[in-house]
Amino acid sequence: GQQVMQIPQYQHVQEGEDFTTYCNSSTTLSNIQWYKQRPGGHPVFLIQLVKSGEVKKQKRLTFQFGEAKKNSSLHITATQTTDVGTYFCAAFHGSSNTGKLIFGQGTTLQVKP
Amino acid sequence: DGGITQSPKYLFRKEGQNVTLSCEQNLNHDAMYWYRQDPGQGLRLIYYSQIVNDFQKGDIAEGYSVSREKKESFPLTVTSAQKNPTAFYLCASRKLANGLILGSPLHFGNGTRLTVT
Repeated sequence: GQQVMQIPQYQHVQEGEDFTTYCNSSTTLSNIQWYKQRPGGHPVFLIQLVKSGEVKKQKRLTFQFGEAKKNSSLHITATQTTDVGTYFCAAFHGSSNTGKLIFGQGTTLQVKP
Repeated sequence: DGGITQSPKYLFRKEGQNVTLSCEQNLNHDAMYWYRQDPGQGLRLIYYSQIVNDFQKGDIAEGYSVSREKKESFPLTVTSAQKNPTAFYLCASRKLANGLILGSPLHFGNGTRLTVT
């Protein structure tokens, strides 16, 4: 079945450094979603990307969707301790309106103050 | 306030017993999902349901069962056939938009941490 590979699994950074997590698929995706899970919490939706080459920003977070719609990235500029958590990408298997949502393995970010 | 309620937050069971995890939503969402989360393995889909009285297996359905008798409720039973049931279980829901290609986001409950000894 369709799989979404996410790297790295873990990332430790010093506060103020940048962070990037990558998502890759062997098949073309209709869209991709990103979620954040704080320690001890549940995943919370961040954003959805739909168009080829799309770039969206949320303050210090930049999300990109590849031209071929097979990869995506989340970049955080100047990390803060509030950015700690696990970031997941997720993609629909089949139709985005009826299909199941498959998650990547997640990237856990630790930020040292 | 609208949301998804999972209960209980922590659950302990003896090996060989079936256990049912509750998930209720008052968001009027159509689809509901159950995911299992283990350290380092992300979220794996167990079952999902798009309409009442219908549900589909996810990637790891063996040893689990569900029902969807009401739109608001999607309980998950972890049976004794599940070989490694200790995990964090997350329920989620989303609204299906008729005729649209875009996928709506998932809204998650706070999860149930199940420990089987």
